[in-house]
This record gives sequence, C-alpha cells and structure tokens, in this order.
Amino acid sequence: DSGVTQTPKHLITATGQRVTLRCSPRSGDLSVYWYQQSLDQGLQFLIQYYNGEERAKGNILERFSAQQFPDLHSELNLSSLELGDSALYFCASSVGAITGELFFGEGSRLTVL
Amino acid sequence: AQSVTQLDSQVPVFEEAPVELRCNYSSSVSVYLFWYVQYPNQGLQLLLKYLSGSTLVESINGFEAEFNKSQTSFHLRKPSVHISDTAEYFCAVILLNYGGSQGNLIFGKGTKLSVKP
Repeated sequence: DSGVTQTPKHLITATGQRVTLRCSPRSGDLSVYWYQQSLDQGLQFLIQYYNGEERAKGNILERFSAQQFPDLHSELNLSSLELGDSALYFCASSVGAITGELFFGEGSRLTVL
Repeated sequence: AQSVTQLDSQVPVFEEAPVELRCNYSSSVSVYLFWYVQYPNQGLQLLLKYLSGSTLVESINGFEAEFNKSQTSFHLRKPSVHISDTAEYFCAVILLNYGGSQGNLIFGKGTKLSVKP
C-alpha cells in the first residue's frame, strides 16, 4: 500500500461527458502528479501541483484540468470526453517539489463508450 | 530532446534464468536514474535509484542496475528471475540542469517482463 488513494477505481461513461477523478496523497506529501497510461502512448505526465500551486505541466489537453485543494487532495477533471481518453489515470505524490521518488496510487480506469 | 529509450517492449524468460532489461537515455547533462515496477493491476513502485556514488545499485528483491555514463545506459539485471517478477518495468530519468536545478521525471515506455515456468 503506497498510501496514495484514488477514487473511483473504475468509471464507464459516454462520449461528451465530464468526469472527476480524485486523489489523496500520502500523509505529509506536498506534491501531487497526474499521469495517463494507455497502450499506445505509454505513461504520459499530465500535470504536477506542489502545495496548492501548479508546478509543472506536461501533455495535458485543454479539455482536462486539475487542482490541488488546501487539504492537499487533488482532482483531475476530464470534459468533452472522447473515445481516445479511455485510459488508466494515475495519481502520485512526493514530499518535495522535484524528486524521482514518487508514490503511485492504484489508478482510475476510465472507459469512454 | 531529452528521452529515455527502453529497447525491448517485451522480454519473455524462463524461471531461474538471468534477465537484462535495457535502458538508454539521451542527455548532455548529469542525470538521476530510476527503475519503477508495475505489477498487474497495481500502480508503479520505485525499484531502485541512482543519484550519485557507486554506479551499481541494488534492490531488496535481487535486481541491480549499473549506471554507465559513457554509454548513457542504466540497464536492469537479475541473475535468476521468479514467476513473481512478472511485471512491467519502467526506466525514468531526471535531468540535472546547468546551474543545479532539476527537471521533471521522464519515463520510458516500459518493458513487460514475462517469466514462464
């Protein structure tokens, strides 16, 4: 158990819809990262927050947005969903802002029909 | 552009055989290097890391990796694999930029290790 909690574990929705994925980091970790894992693209970095502020942005689509709340949990919002958004979305956390030692949750599997 | 290359997408081996999972990176600056493992239906876990010092680093479950600066490689090895080692393995790198700042963690595309009885 990494200490990182993600909900929901599975989500099935239709094209055009909007979903929210939630992540609670390990106790004491200030950084939260979001990754997308798919068969064709592999593991893609989406975005990082550190202590409530956006710190780094990767290959995140404009239809996607995220935020980190004062209690340090984070949400990833995916809107106008397309079939190609079907993937496993991972949240990870770390103590510092820049580190290679991340702790990953078990992921949220999104299926868009 | 900075990249991490894992040369093999799949590596099938028999139980108790040795294995090497290859990882190369492209960078003109210093790096930190990592291997992560993802067991079926789980998130990634840090397996081992190289930050500085000895170029040979080991994990608690018998894996080791050696940083080779001249070949810009960080291959992962295990002399005798078990069925339980079946997983996907990701190599990752952080650039140490000029001036001492660090970049973000960059993952390779992963290598699926399949250990057969």
